[in-house]
Amino acid sequence: DVKVTQSSRYLVKRTGEKVFLECVQDMDHENMFWYRQDPGLGLRLIYFSYDVKMKEKGDIPEGYSVSREKKERFSLILESASTNQTSMYLCASSLEAGVSYEQYFGPGTRLTVT
Amino acid sequence: GQNIDQPTEMTATEGAIVQINCTYQTSGFNGLFWYQQHAGEAPTFLSYNVLDGLEEKGRFSSFLSRSKGYSYLLLKELQMKDSASYLCAVRDASGGSYIPTFGRGTSLIVHP
Repeated sequence: DVKVTQSSRYLVKRTGEKVFLECVQDMDHENMFWYRQDPGLGLRLIYFSYDVKMKEKGDIPEGYSVSREKKERFSLILESASTNQTSMYLCASSLEAGVSYEQYFGPGTRLTVT
Repeated sequence: GQNIDQPTEMTATEGAIVQINCTYQTSGFNGLFWYQQHAGEAPTFLSYNVLDGLEEKGRFSSFLSRSKGYSYLLLKELQMKDSASYLCAVRDASGGSYIPTFGRGTSLIVHP
C-alpha cells in the first residue's frame, strides 16, 4: 500500500513564525503536491513537484515556498505565517501526471496561526 | 482554467440509491476523478473516467459524457459509512499541465 505521511496532525504557530510542513511518500512516486483545504472552497493547489529539485506554482502559491531535495520528501514552507494561512494542509503523491494515475493523500496537517 | 460544479450537500436514506452530479467546463479535457473523503481524513480514490460511458465498481459507478461536460457518481445500497464528502476532479491538458483541479465537494449525509 502507498503510504503518504505528514509530520504533524495538528500545529499551532504564531504570526510571523517560519513554519515547515513535511511530507514523505514510500512508493517512489515522481509527483508530489501540496494543497490547502478550507470549508466551502475545496482543495486548492499550492505547489507541485514532478521531480527532485523541480517545482511548479499551483493556483495559490503566494506566501508559500517548497523544497524537494529527495524524491520521497516534499516540504512546504510558510516564510512568515499569517492568520489567513490557518487551514488544513494536505500532501499528495502520484506516478507520472501524463497518465491516469490517481493521487494518494496524506492524513493532513491542521495548522492554526494565532 | 476550469469551472467545476457540484451540489454542496445531499441527504439520502440507508439502502437507497443516490446520484452526485459534477459539471465542468474545460478546453482540453483529459480525465475526471472521483474521491471520497470522510470527516477528518484524507481523500481516497474512487474512480477515473476518460472515455464516455459508465464505469462500475461494486456499489459505486461513475458516468461521463464529454460532449455535455458532465459526470455523475452513483452510489447503490447506501450504508451509513457512505456519509462523507465526494470530490470531483478534472484534468485539463490544454496548458500542458496534467494536474487535476478539484471541485468544492458534495457532502453526503446518509440517515437511517
